[in-house]
Amino acid sequence: RKEVEQDPGPFNVPEGATVAFNCTYSNSASQSFFWYRQDCRKEPKLLMSVYSSGNEDGRFTAQLNRASQYISLLIRDSKLSDSATYLCVVNDRGSTLGRLYFGRGTQLTVWP
Amino acid sequence: EADIYQTPRYLVIGTGKKITLECSQTMGHDKMYWYQQDPGMELHLIHYSYGVNSTEKGDLSSESTVSRIRTEHFPLTLESARPSHTSQYLCASSELGTSGNTIYFGEGSWLTVV
Repeated sequence: RKEVEQDPGPFNVPEGATVAFNCTYSNSASQSFFWYRQDCRKEPKLLMSVYSSGNEDGRFTAQLNRASQYISLLIRDSKLSDSATYLCVVNDRGSTLGRLYFGRGTQLTVWP
Repeated sequence: EADIYQTPRYLVIGTGKKITLECSQTMGHDKMYWYQQDPGMELHLIHYSYGVNSTEKGDLSSESTVSRIRTEHFPLTLESARPSHTSQYLCASSELGTSGNTIYFGEGSWLTVV
């Protein structure tokens, strides 16, 4: 079983739509959680960290459910520029030697 | 913007050649990583390092080797390139402490072996 599982999509939505991505992780000891964005043929870049109480950054909202080992990303009022692959990232434990595990990514295309 | 740099960005070489992909970061990060990613596919960790003189193999078996003689430098070497090595190679770094797990990527090195 993979450490991090994501629905690969693709998700094709019109501008202005709300879209949600889900991610599950297998290690209950995981401590840190992130969403990264990767544009086509570019490197991944941090979109936002995910905190236990949930957090929001503009049109983006991230949620964490430790009991279900589940992370979500909600994008409201989608823009054309949101088209990218969204990677769920989990740190396997809180120690300094913790490894980061990447999901395979969920592809989003926003159309006009 | 992340201060992590990779060279070359694009390389086309013949089978059997030895190549070294360079990676340098100026953020003083202890952890460094090499990932391999084919277009549209997932990232695969092939090597990582926790600091100087520390190197570990990742999840994906790789015929490449790495070294970490200086904190800022983490080169990856292929002794004898093959067409199956054609891929994008991404170098990354992060801080060692629990509060600094954000990982920063270089722009990648696109390798084509013919």
